[in-house]
Amino acid sequence: SFVLTQPPSVSVAPGQTARITCEGSNIGSDSVHWYQQKPGQAPVLVVSDDRDRPSGIPERFSGSNSGNTATLTISRVEAGDEADYYCQVWDTSSGHWVFGGGTKLTVL
Amino acid sequence: QVQLVESGGGVVQPGRSLRLSCVASGFTFSSYSMHWVRQAPGKGLEWVTLISYDGSKKYYADSVKGRFTISRDNSKNTLYLQMNSLRSEDTALYYCARAPPFGNAAFDIWGQGTMVTVSS
Repeated sequence: SFVLTQPPSVSVAPGQTARITCEGSNIGSDSVHWYQQKPGQAPVLVVSDDRDRPSGIPERFSGSNSGNTATLTISRVEAGDEADYYCQVWDTSSGHWVFGGGTKLTVL
Repeated sequence: QVQLVESGGGVVQPGRSLRLSCVASGFTFSSYSMHWVRQAPGKGLEWVTLISYDGSKKYYADSVKGRFTISRDNSKNTLYLQMNSLRSEDTALYYCARAPPFGNAAFDIWGQGTMVTVSS
């Protein structure tokens, strides 16, 4: 089955840029979605279809996808961005949705 | 406002059954695909199952296929998950989530989850 690999953790200082990667075989040919989950809360969609931001999501959140890597970029990181982030794709061959293992973003 | 509220979780013995419900409000429930996603304590998200907007198509993760059944009642704005032959590894917080009914649309609204604990 399709596997999405994310780094377990990413750390960044406030005001800097955080980049969270999601690796999968030829993932650039798929639409990737990204979710933010803060402790004790349900996931929230922050980027859909590689680079689209839902209403209410700050412009600081952006996405890209090419080759074997999709990337969620958070600019001007704030303390409130500290959370777990998950990438997701639809695996057409299996008819399953797949989540990456998640990345814990720590704001130093 | 747009809302999904899950219920039905609890503590159940291995091999027993449980039915979860998810009541939708604030949007046209019958126009959306619906999903169940679970999260074991301290672990990541795991997609469980999907039902199309009209209930005609259903997909299941391999880990629950043959044991879990997803269904919906559009007249009651309610999504269900019938879980049979429960195992300890099914212990998790179960979320329902909606997605627009086209292609591989993202899950744009999530409930707060209901906890299922499988233990003797």
